[in-house]
Amino acid sequence: DIVLTQSPALAVSLGQRATISCRASQSVSISRYNLMHWYQQKPGQQPKLLIYRASNLASGIPARFSGSGSGTDFTLTINPVQADDIATYYCQQSRESPPTFGGGTKLELK
Amino acid sequence: EVQLVESGGGLVQPGRSLKLSCLASGFTFSNYGMNWIRQAPGKGLEWVASISSSSSYIYYADTVKGRFTISRDNAKNTLYLQMTSLRSEDTALYYCARHRGLGADYFDYWGQGVMVTVSS
Repeated sequence: DIVLTQSPALAVSLGQRATISCRASQSVSISRYNLMHWYQQKPGQQPKLLIYRASNLASGIPARFSGSGSGTDFTLTINPVQADDIATYYCQQSRESPPTFGGGTKLELK
Repeated sequence: EVQLVESGGGLVQPGRSLKLSCLASGFTFSNYGMNWIRQAPGKGLEWVASISSSSSYIYYADTVKGRFTISRDNAKNTLYLQMTSLRSEDTALYYCARHRGLGADYFDYWGQGVMVTVSS
């Protein structure tokens, strides 16, 4: 299985930029497709899709969220961070079955 | 509005069975592949099973293969997960989720989840 590694937590100040990283144990890119996706989960809620295929903003997601990366290294950026963004963020790959998730990065206020 | 509503969870003894349901609305259910994804208390997300729109393709995580069965009834807009030989490590919040793209690419809508607790 492809293992996705995320830092457990990231502390950020409101109004600043947050950069959340996800590293895969092998490439999750095929041709021009980067098969990495990002989700936000707030306490007591279900996960919500933020970014699909590395850089595509999901429907209804604010433009302060963006994604980048290819191969094994991917980044979710939130700029500027707002209070409503405090949550846990998960990456997920679909390059190989089974689809796997990173362990999550908890975004905290500094 | 897309809605996915899970039901059927509860407390069950190890070795027993339980069947989860997920009622879909707000989209043409028969056009989409569906999944079960679980989250143990305080832990991350684990994909459990996937079924294609017409039930032609079904996949399972190794941790549940041979014990869990995913199925769907497109006439009833409902997804199911039959769980047998339950273990304590199956204790989790179970989400149903719709997938997009080729295979289980990404999951664009999730239900609110249903709790399954396996304990004596």
